[in-house]
Amino acid sequence: QVQLQESGPGLVKPSQTLSLTCTVSGGSISSGSYYWSWIRQPAGKGLEWIGRIYSSGSTNYNPSLKSRVTISVDTSKNQFSLKLSSVTAADTAVYYCARYDSSLGRFDPWGQGILVTVSS
Amino acid sequence: DIQMTQSPFSLSASVGDRVTITCRASQSISNYLNWYQQKPGKAPKLLIYAASSLQSGVPSRFSGSGSGTDFTLTISSLQSEDYATYYCQQSYSLPLTFGGGTKVEI
Repeated sequence: QVQLQESGPGLVKPSQTLSLTCTVSGGSISSGSYYWSWIRQPAGKGLEWIGRIYSSGSTNYNPSLKSRVTISVDTSKNQFSLKLSSVTAADTAVYYCARYDSSLGRFDPWGQGILVTVSS
Repeated sequence: DIQMTQSPFSLSASVGDRVTITCRASQSISNYLNWYQQKPGKAPKLLIYAASSLQSGVPSRFSGSGSGTDFTLTISSLQSEDYATYYCQQSYSLPLTFGGGTKVEI
């Protein structure tokens, strides 16, 4: 079955750019009516949808983060990536990647998550 | 944005209890509502989609109901492995949004 795995630095300095990659295994990122999403969760808090990308490269972002977010896809590597610029301590969170089934409107499966801390 | 409000914030229950969690949307979302379970240190897991459809592999003690703005997740007989935080999520419109979560404790 499809599995997702996040990777990237666990520590980012304030004002710099957070960069994460999600590797998809067990299936092609180009198949089906799926969007590939990023979601984050600050410690002890709820879930916030960051944005999503289709294999064609079409994107949608949360307006609350849109000015700082870029999501891209590399179909040859079966990966998609997140860049979040000008980070502050408020961006410290566990970042998850997940597959979004647009026909049923559900996130499944999810990656295990990666903790990113913003600190100097 | 569509706001999703869950209640209660937390609840205490015993094994075997019937547990009900409510999620209310700030506007009608038809049946575009999903439920997830999250255990500490783990990613959320899909339980219910389209308000009432049970995800494959999820025990039948979990059920969902509702339409429009009001939705319910029910655990018919709470098991020890069900202690977790539960989130609702709307897929009616962008941005996709989640409820604040309900923690089910002993």
